[in-house]
Amino acid sequence: KQEVTQIPAALSVPEGENLVLNCSFTDSAIYNLQWFRQDPGKGLTSLLLIQSSQREQTSGRLNASLDKSSGRSTLYIAASQPGDSATYLCAVFVEYGNKLVFGAGTILRVKS
Amino acid sequence: GAVVSQHPSRVICKSGTSVKIECRSLDFQATTMFWYRQFPKQSLMLMATSNEGSKATYEQGVEKDKFLINHASLTLSTLTVTSAHPEDSSFYICSARDVGGGTLYNEQFFGPGTRLTVL
Repeated sequence: KQEVTQIPAALSVPEGENLVLNCSFTDSAIYNLQWFRQDPGKGLTSLLLIQSSQREQTSGRLNASLDKSSGRSTLYIAASQPGDSATYLCAVFVEYGNKLVFGAGTILRVKS
Repeated sequence: GAVVSQHPSRVICKSGTSVKIECRSLDFQATTMFWYRQFPKQSLMLMATSNEGSKATYEQGVEKDKFLINHASLTLSTLTVTSAHPEDSSFYICSARDVGGGTLYNEQFFGPGTRLTVL
């Protein structure tokens, strides 16, 4: 059974800091890995999608890496801003079962 | 990116009534849609996978007679919570997967969610 773990559970940083969110998964049989952002009481916004054959994806100040063999992904946020405050969710699309398996999320707070 | 809508965004109902939530893919066709449930400060839990024109596949522990799913077209799936009770109060989120190819292939897009409160 695939399990996804996100560390840390919560993070509070001053504005302008670069930060790294970690995601690990137990089964490397995945099609892809997605990072999402969720604001309180809202749905999910897809940030980055990394296919299993890729090593990283970049979008603006965000960079996500994937090491499928070791079951790890990181989301790097450069020059953090208060508007980045949200819950960040990592999810893997498993080869069996045709579904996304989510981590518990990292609650990020960027202080101005 | 692709857009998924949900309606209603918020609903309050009395115990024992049924509530229908709609999920629509607005600018792409989705042969597969997913329904999730999220409790406060917890992550998303998959309830069921809905395939257009066929019966939904429910996750273990999810009552299919209580959570009725219909996926009648390539752009619409509905979740009906039958005989709702206070313990069904939750945030319900749907997602849709574009299988048409191109850059959207294999990526899931999520709706804004529906907050259900059962009194």
